[in-house]
Amino acid sequence: DVKVTQSSRYLVKRTGEKVFLECVQDMDHENMFWYRQDPGLGLRLIYFSYDVKMKEKGDIPEGYSVSREKKERFSLILESASTNQTSMYLCASRTEDGLFGGTEAFFGQGTRLTVV
Amino acid sequence: GQSLEQPSEVTAVEGAIVQINCTYQTSGFYGLSWYQQHDGGAPTFLSYNGLDGLEETGRFSSFLSRSDSYGYLLLQELQMKDSASYFCAVRDRSHQAGTALIFGKGTTLSVSS
Repeated sequence: DVKVTQSSRYLVKRTGEKVFLECVQDMDHENMFWYRQDPGLGLRLIYFSYDVKMKEKGDIPEGYSVSREKKERFSLILESASTNQTSMYLCASRTEDGLFGGTEAFFGQGTRLTVV
Repeated sequence: GQSLEQPSEVTAVEGAIVQINCTYQTSGFYGLSWYQQHDGGAPTFLSYNGLDGLEETGRFSSFLSRSDSYGYLLLQELQMKDSASYFCAVRDRSHQAGTALIFGKGTTLSVSS
């Protein structure tokens, strides 16, 4: 069974803390993604990585950074957590199948982060 | 950039047929995908259309018209367990040659008995 595992299901952090969200996939996928999901806004792409040590900003990268030192692991970092970063964070991975490939993305169960 | 429009909510009764539409604007198009997400769960892949036409998978079908920048997800013989959010998604050409998936805001489907 393919798996994307996020380290925490629920997390409560204080404003100003540095927060690490971890994601591991066991499918040897080249591509990994971080999204945040908020009611009425759908899934918005924060950052993604298409190879080890390679990363690219998504649509809402401000206040976040990422790290991908190993192929299977992709970390999302909140440099200084703020209350507006309270959200559900979803990690996903997907194989590289060319421009017209329709291969599915596999998602983790999500981390619900509350910043107080 | 990319934008996808889909209705925010749809309601239907068990046994009915429902269609969820998605219109998109993209700088380059590599196909339309659909995902389902139950409350508290992770999004899961339903279908992909790379070319015009209808793709059928059991009770679910997905259609694409590239000339109209339009697609839909058709759910037949609705069951209570189909109550979920449904997202359309496109590959995003503006990021690393279309690697990233960009999602619509989602359609919440409520099925009643």
